Amino acid sequence: ELKVEQNPLFLSMQEGKNYTIYCNYSTTSDRLYWYRQDPGKSLESLFVLLSNGAVKQEGRLMASLDTKARLSTLHITAAVHDLSATYFCAVDRDSGNTPLVFGKGTRLSVIA
Amino acid sequence: EAGVAQSPRYKIIEKRQSVAFWCNPISGHATLYWYQQILGQGPKLLIQFQNNGVVDDSQLPKDRFSAERLKGVDSTLKIQPAKLEDSAVYLCASSRRYNEQFFGPGTRLTVL
Repeated sequence: ELKVEQNPLFLSMQEGKNYTIYCNYSTTSDRLYWYRQDPGKSLESLFVLLSNGAVKQEGRLMASLDTKARLSTLHITAAVHDLSATYFCAVDRDSGNTPLVFGKGTRLSVIA
Repeated sequence: EAGVAQSPRYKIIEKRQSVAFWCNPISGHATLYWYQQILGQGPKLLIQFQNNGVVDDSQLPKDRFSAERLKGVDSTLKIQPAKLEDSAVYLCASSRRYNEQFFGPGTRLTVL
């Protein structure tokens, strides 16, 4: 059974600081997804990582994928309050169009 | 392009009552998913459709949950009878390429 683990589950960080969220998964997969969820809202797609070594950046967020280590990271640079949300990583359960298996999410709170 | 639409946004019912949710996916997306998200957790798959056929319903509690996608577009998810543990957000998602799934706003169900 595919398992996806995120850490930390809760993160409180000061504005301007850097931090990394980690996502480990238990089976081979070449594709990994990062989503953002604001309280009471749905999931917003942030990044789709399609191959080993993939790196994508959008604003203060950068995601990378190491399929050999079964690890993805979401790096936050110079955090701002607007980044406060819950971040989920997810992995394809199988190949092709298949259900996603999600981690438990990392609840990020950026404080002044 | 319009996103995934869901209704209702909120529903409060008493246990043993029935409830139905509706989803309209993004135009042209053949694959449709229903996920259940319990508070504080990541979404978990209930059922996956490819056009109007069921691909995966292994996680659907079939004694009380049912879903259909009659014309390969809209979908409905029904719970009958509801239990307290069914309180959750029900998310509909659709996808086309690379399995990048786009989520609707969700229906928040409270069972009293």
